[in-house]
Amino acid sequence: DQQVKQNSPSLSVQEGRISILNCDYTNSMFDYFLWYKKYPAEGPTFLISISSIKDKNEDGRFTVFLNKSAKHLSLHIVPSQPGDSAVYFCAASGKRGGTSYGKLTFGQGTILTVHP
Amino acid sequence: DAGVTQSPTHLIKTRGQHVTLRCSPISGHKSVSWYQQVLGQGPQFIFQYYEKEERGRGNFPDRFSARQFPNYSSELNVNALLLGDSALYLCASSLGSQPQHFGDGTRLSIL
Repeated sequence: DQQVKQNSPSLSVQEGRISILNCDYTNSMFDYFLWYKKYPAEGPTFLISISSIKDKNEDGRFTVFLNKSAKHLSLHIVPSQPGDSAVYFCAASGKRGGTSYGKLTFGQGTILTVHP
Repeated sequence: DAGVTQSPTHLIKTRGQHVTLRCSPISGHKSVSWYQQVLGQGPQFIFQYYEKEERGRGNFPDRFSARQFPNYSSELNVNALLLGDSALYLCASSLGSQPQHFGDGTRLSIL
């Protein structure tokens, strides 16, 4: 049962344009969502997060949008840079007291390639 | 400041052997979690420890065990290794429950 899904295995964009990475979840007990970036031979690096009480969080070039009714979140990168080329994972965590509290449930990842 | 450190970086074992992986969290972080990542998938949760107590366990067999020490470092132990245990094992630490910060992992290969 894949509770967090990233349906696009890969995405290719031109430098300077917007990258939009998507993620869907099924567990209504998730209330905190994170995006991680992973380069080969390195561990995932935390990028940005959002609580379920918000619908948008912005940090520099990165913005995460949350649509709770659709159980969907997206990560926007503007403008995209070649150094952003990596695997991007979305992850979710549950409410305090629930079985998914404290642990992260990850999607399968999306490979982003930004061309110069 | 040092991030999460894991050792060893690579390890080769044969079926049936036992392995111990080690993790040192970011200074001040009291929570440590372990994840397994196989090729083409996202990390899968194995264990979480907070203040030396197990706070969560994922869907892994009893061959997997872990502990956390008074200095908040942690060990993951896997007994009776199977070929399917070949994976990248990631350790993460956090101040509260989130966000978790990951080390670079231990690449375990089973022959």
